[in-house]
Amino acid sequence: AQKVTQAQTEISVVEKEDVTLDCVYETRDTTYYLFWYKQPPSGELVFLIRRNSFDEQNEISGRYSWNFQKSTSSFNFTITASQVVDSAVYYCALSTLGDSGYALNFGKGTSLLVTP
Amino acid sequence: GAVVSQHPSRVICKSGTSVKIECRSLDFQATTMFWYRQFPKQSLMLMATSNEGSKATYEQGVEKDKFLINHASLTLSTLTVTSAHPEDSSFYICSARDRRGGKETQYFGPGTRLLVL
Repeated sequence: AQKVTQAQTEISVVEKEDVTLDCVYETRDTTYYLFWYKQPPSGELVFLIRRNSFDEQNEISGRYSWNFQKSTSSFNFTITASQVVDSAVYYCALSTLGDSGYALNFGKGTSLLVTP
Repeated sequence: GAVVSQHPSRVICKSGTSVKIECRSLDFQATTMFWYRQFPKQSLMLMATSNEGSKATYEQGVEKDKFLINHASLTLSTLTVTSAHPEDSSFYICSARDRRGGKETQYFGPGTRLLVL
């Protein structure tokens, strides 16, 4: 069975602080994909990153960085120097061939609030 | 990223009516699209997998006769909520599977907020 756990339900930080959103996943598949999406209040899901199970290289994109560690089944997301516009719900998701043909299995999401 | 459109963005209807939601991939062909549902303050839950030219695959607990899915072309999937009831009120969001260049990514439409009175 596939499972994604985002233990942090809500996080509140002050602007310019760094914040890390945790994601732990479970799967028996050797080939899988991990994603992070941002959902602002408007509701639309914004794609942030995709990682496949064979690529453990960490990635940095501007103020965003991701740490993928297969040894701990984690795919954590760090925002450096947070801004008010970063306020949103962030979802970590897992997809495998499985029963649903690469459909996304979402975590419960982490609501991030960045205050001025 | 790729563009996926979804219409309508918001629907208010009376109980018992049917509502049709369209999902289009605008700049790539998607043999597979997915339909998710999101209740307030909750995560997204997969309802069904829509495959072009074949029957949709529904998740356990999702009534296939109530949520009709048609994937008639490589760029269009539709979800029809038949005889909608207040408990069907939710945020419905589709995604299109992008396999171009060997990547495996899903891009989401902007979603449809359905309110059944």
